[in-house]
Parts: sequence; structure tokens; C-alpha cells
Amino acid sequence: ELKVEQNPLFLSMQEGKNYTIYCNYSTTSDRLYWYRQDPGKSLESLFVLLSNGAVKQEGRLMASLDTKARLSTLHITAAVHDLSATYFCAVVFPGSARQLTFGSGTQLTVLP
Amino acid sequence: GAVVSQHPSRVICKSGTSVKIECRSLDFQATTMFWYRQFPKQSLMLMATSNEGSKATYEQGVEKDKFLINHASLTLSTLTVTSAHPEDSSFYICSALQSSYGYTFGSGTRLTVV
Repeated sequence: ELKVEQNPLFLSMQEGKNYTIYCNYSTTSDRLYWYRQDPGKSLESLFVLLSNGAVKQEGRLMASLDTKARLSTLHITAAVHDLSATYFCAVVFPGSARQLTFGSGTQLTVLP
Repeated sequence: GAVVSQHPSRVICKSGTSVKIECRSLDFQATTMFWYRQFPKQSLMLMATSNEGSKATYEQGVEKDKFLINHASLTLSTLTVTSAHPEDSSFYICSALQSSYGYTFGSGTRLTVV
């Protein structure tokens, strides 16, 4: 079964703290995406990771991909309130007609 | 960058009526578009994949006669919810795939069936 698992599902953190969201997937893929969703809104693309060892950073967010472990992480550095949102990872599995399979999402709340 | 325009953003309809949602790629041609449904506090669930000029491929459990998808041109795909019922109330999102831009999402349509 093609599955993408994210944890934690819910995350409350204090401003200024660091934390990591994990995304595991069930079988080989070399194409992983991270998205942000604000309440009532659609998805905003954050990162595309296309190869083993890929690391991308934008502001306080950094994403990495380990294809051997079938794991991606989204690291948040010195969180600020504006980062409060739901974060999804999504994977394209081989033979899936380029369909994205989404993780369950991580609802992040950054507290003052 | 690539833009996908989705309309309407919100729609309220009566039970038994049909609603059409449009998804347009504004500055690129999208041979493949995807339609998702998202219930509150849940992830996106793929409903169907549409390819320009051919029949859509529906995911297991999605009624093709209820959710009609048409992809008649390289820039337009439509989803029609026929004989809508309250349980069809959801957030519907389209996504267009283009080789240069990857996946671009529409802004979503909040459907409420009363």
C-alpha cells in the first residue's frame, strides 16, 4: 500500500523554539513536496525535493530528504506566530500516474 | 509563475441541484489536472485525474456519475457535482501539472449543500 505518514499531527510550540516535522513514506520515491495551508485556503508550495540528500531552506524552514530511509523532515527554527498553519508533505510514487499522495498534515500553532 | 484560477470560491446550493466548478490554467497548458476533496481538519483526498481530451480516471469509491469531470481543453477542467447532497459539502481543490512548473493548485471551492 502506498502511504505517507506525518507526525506529529498537532504541534503547539512557543515562539523562538525549534522543532521538526517528520514525513515517512512506504516505498521508493525520489520526488517529495512540502506545502503549507492556512485555514480556509488552498495549498502554498514550500519545497520540492528531488534527490537523496537534498536540502532546501527558506527563511525559518528547512526541508531535507533521505530516500534510503524514506524520510523527509521539515525543520522549524526560532518559530514565529506567522508560521502557524497546517503543513503537508506529499509524495509521487512510481507508477502512480504522477499523482500526489498526501500525508495527514501537521497542524502547527505557534504560541506567543 | 504558473497560476491556476478556480471558480467559484464559495457556493451554496440546495439539495438535488448541480454545481459546476471551473479550474483554468492561466499562463500554461496543463495536460493533466487533478481534483481533490478535503473535509475539515483532514488531508486532501484525490478524487480523479483528468487528461485533456480523454475520460477522467476516478479513484476507488468516487462515483463517476455524481462527480462529472470534463477536460475539454489544455487550459480548462471542470468538476460538476450532480444531485448534490449535504454530505457532498466539502472543500474542493484542483491542481494542474505542467512539466516546467510541477504542481500548481487552485484556490479551492467551498461547497455547502443545504
